[in-house]
Amino acid sequence: QVQLQESGPGLVKPSETLSLTCTVSGDSISGYYWSWIRQPPGKGLEWIGYIFYSGSTSYNPSLKSRVTISVDTSKNQFSLWLSSVTAADTAVYYCARKRNSAWYGFDMWGQGTMVTVSS
Amino acid sequence: DIQLTQSPSFLSASVGDRVTITCRASQGISSYLAWYQQKPGKAPKLLIYAASTLQSGVPSRFSGSGSGTEFTLTLSNLQPEDFATYYCQQLNSYPYAFGQGTKLEIK
Repeated sequence: QVQLQESGPGLVKPSETLSLTCTVSGDSISGYYWSWIRQPPGKGLEWIGYIFYSGSTSYNPSLKSRVTISVDTSKNQFSLWLSSVTAADTAVYYCARKRNSAWYGFDMWGQGTMVTVSS
Repeated sequence: DIQLTQSPSFLSASVGDRVTITCRASQGISSYLAWYQQKPGKAPKLLIYAASTLQSGVPSRFSGSGSGTEFTLTLSNLQPEDFATYYCQQLNSYPYAFGQGTKLEIK
């Protein structure tokens, strides 16, 4: 049974860098697209970006200048870095899996981790 | 970027009812559309992909249709566990946008 688990600090200071890791268990990270999605409190979902297991990436233009996603296939993990955070980056951050085809949606999700940006 | 607009934003219905949620795309996306259900405090759950294909394990009372710019999610014979927020998402091009959500409440 595939499971995704986000981990990282729950509190980040303004102007600093948010860093989260998603650990995948029960299946190999190879062959899939891995995304980060966030949801501010009481609001909708925003796709942040993806990384393919090979290392290719695509980011949401609204965040592109501040986002980096990387993958470590040896650890079956992928990570998110979001720099220069502000209160607007306060959200639940989810990691999610997508099959290697445009037809498929995100079929596996982590439980989500709340990140608050505050001094 | 492609924008998705869901309607209605709020929907009130009773157990046993049939309801329809619409998702309109700002440009054609073929059938590259997914629907999700989200309950409070939980991650979204994939219900439908490719506009009309039911994800494994999802009850058949959920159905999706549409292509191009207009899509619908229909819930038949509503059950108590179906009251949640529903999102559409386009997978035609980056960035993968979501609709703003439709909250389905018990009447």
